[in-house]
Amino acid sequence: LAKTTQPISMDSYEGQEVNITCSHNNIATNDYITWYQQFPSQGPRFIIQGYKTKVTNEVASLFIPADRKSSTLSLPRVSLSDTAVYYCLVGDENYGQNFVFGPGTRLSVLP
Amino acid sequence: EAQVTQNPRYLITVTGKKLTVTCSQNMNHEYMSWYRQDPGLGLRQIYYSMNVEVTDKGDVPEGYKVSRKEKRNFPLILESPSPNQTSLYFCASSPQTGLAGGLVRYNEQFFGPGTRLTVL
Repeated sequence: LAKTTQPISMDSYEGQEVNITCSHNNIATNDYITWYQQFPSQGPRFIIQGYKTKVTNEVASLFIPADRKSSTLSLPRVSLSDTAVYYCLVGDENYGQNFVFGPGTRLSVLP
Repeated sequence: EAQVTQNPRYLITVTGKKLTVTCSQNMNHEYMSWYRQDPGLGLRQIYYSMNVEVTDKGDVPEGYKVSRKEKRNFPLILESPSPNQTSLYFCASSPQTGLAGGLVRYNEQFFGPGTRLTVL
């Protein structure tokens, strides 16, 4: 499975834009990149998914450079309720269904 | 309402006493999976099932069993629980992986509310 690396934690203030970068140097050519959000004591929730360039939805944007060895989740104008753990996932080069979430990035939004 | 349900939500048990955590989804999803979450380790996959009667090991299958007799249900069985299985467990489901235009698109996984298990 392609390995991902993210910062363990980040702090931000309300109203700021937050960018969380994930490294996935061994991503397979055909794989998408997916981000999940998890609040304490809840299951993860899908945020956004992309393959290349930029994807935007009502919650976040995802930036993927041409070499696809990394991706950046961008959260515009965060609020206290965005305090959560964010996970980056890439696929399995064998197209299996064995997912590894890793420790994720713990984002703390301060007032 | 489309959802994944798990029961029980909380369970305290003793070493060696067999237990089952149920998981059910009402979205007609082919894929279901079990994860455990421990502090500092993120979510680790225990078992997954790509369809009825098809199951496979994830990263940490030791000490667990699963079955997939029906599409909607995917119970997790601990035949002889031990204290190192104290954890927060999540069940998830999703439509089957999409293969389109040569690209692999892993569909969104929907997670249950979690089951907090303590083994004394």
